Amino acid sequence: NAGVTQTPKFRILKIGQSMTLQCTQDMNHNYMYWYRQDPGMGLKLIYYSVGAGITDKGEVPNGYNVSRSTTEDFPLRLELAAPSQTSVYFCASTTAGPSYEQYFGPGTRLTVT
Amino acid sequence: AQKVTQAQTEISVVEKEDVTLDCVYETRDTTYYLFWYKQPPSGELVFLIRRNSFDEQNEISGRYSWNFQKSTSSFNFTITASQVVDSAVYFCALNPNSGYALNFGKGTSLLVTP
Repeated sequence: NAGVTQTPKFRILKIGQSMTLQCTQDMNHNYMYWYRQDPGMGLKLIYYSVGAGITDKGEVPNGYNVSRSTTEDFPLRLELAAPSQTSVYFCASTTAGPSYEQYFGPGTRLTVT
Repeated sequence: AQKVTQAQTEISVVEKEDVTLDCVYETRDTTYYLFWYKQPPSGELVFLIRRNSFDEQNEISGRYSWNFQKSTSSFNFTITASQVVDSAVYFCALNPNSGYALNFGKGTSLLVTP
């Protein structure tokens, strides 16, 4: 099992550009999450999904969009990138809900200049 | 409100010292779950432990131990005989039964020097 994979590992965007962060898990987990981690801060939830076709906003969803067409994939879309979106993004999944261990991907370090 | 406070921003110890990382949480739920994650310099997040609110037994895993006290809303983490490989940022997190995600503390950066 590869677990949770994320691509790309690093990316530099110019202000106003768009991009998609990819996340795939091969553990057949229903629950998937996107977090961002800013320096000196914990992780903040951007969006989450409880299954294919179902997504919902987390604590900091502005400027992002998600989709969940399959159990395996949960891409995060950044529209009109802003410097405030410079962060490390983590995707995570879990089998039965947030009260269980979450498996994290390796992260994507994004810089918007 | 759900909140996790890790008051220690950075801790530096010399190898073989014992170190305790503090975690204080707030929740109105009677059922909730607490977690510790480790983030080594390589950046990935590694699960360490999960504890539900009805299980106040302390847990020991090798050099790691956790002390859960509902009376003080704390879930502290102790590393005995610290090693350089323990250098990392450690996050405490809370999932209230009524919530859909983990609430993370800001993390404690632990540096263990030889």
